[in-house]
Amino acid sequence: TQLLEQSPQFLSIQEGENLTVYCNSSSVFSSLQWYRQEPGEGPVLLVTVVTGGEVKKLKRLTFQFGDARKDSSLHITAAQPGDTGLYLCAHAGGTSYGKLTFGQGTILTVHP
Amino acid sequence: EAGVTQSPTHLIKTRGQQATLRCSPISGHTSVYWYQQALGLGLQFLLWYDEGEERNRGNFPPRFSGRQFPNYSSELNVNALELEDSALYLCASSLRRGGHNEKLFFGSGTQLSVL
Repeated sequence: TQLLEQSPQFLSIQEGENLTVYCNSSSVFSSLQWYRQEPGEGPVLLVTVVTGGEVKKLKRLTFQFGDARKDSSLHITAAQPGDTGLYLCAHAGGTSYGKLTFGQGTILTVHP
Repeated sequence: EAGVTQSPTHLIKTRGQQATLRCSPISGHTSVYWYQQALGLGLQFLLWYDEGEERNRGNFPPRFSGRQFPNYSSELNVNALELEDSALYLCASSLRRGGHNEKLFFGSGTQLSVL
């Protein structure tokens, strides 16, 4: 099983601060996905990173895939209360089609 | 366009009973996935259905089962409920057959509480 470790587990910051969330593994992945889940809702796909070293931006969110394709990071600039939620990284596991393996997630709280 | 819909929103059962959870995928999506999100354990893959067939199964006992209907909607059945089955059960659908970069669309889930 290719495990994903996310850190930190919890993050509580003030509006306007910057933050980075990490997703690490000892395995190499063909791609990684990042999701955000708000309370009472299902996860929503934010981005898929495919190429080692790839950087993708989504407004104030910057996603990076490690050169060796073993890790990824999510950086949020000038966090807002609307960014509050559970951030999950996930990968599609090898030959096990249809199965996404998720990290434990990072619970982000942005205080106004 | 309607998203993935799940029913019921909340379900309360007692230990030993059976629970049936329902999911309607986005129109045009043929693949349906079920995940369990228990407190502190993250999302765990349960089942994947495509074109009416079970295509993959997670590491769960046989009392977790399901099916996909001709209209691509799906049911998840949990028999002989145990306290640790209490969790949010999420259904997702996708357009294609579970490829590595498949984009999954999740419903809001069914919160199952076993007393």
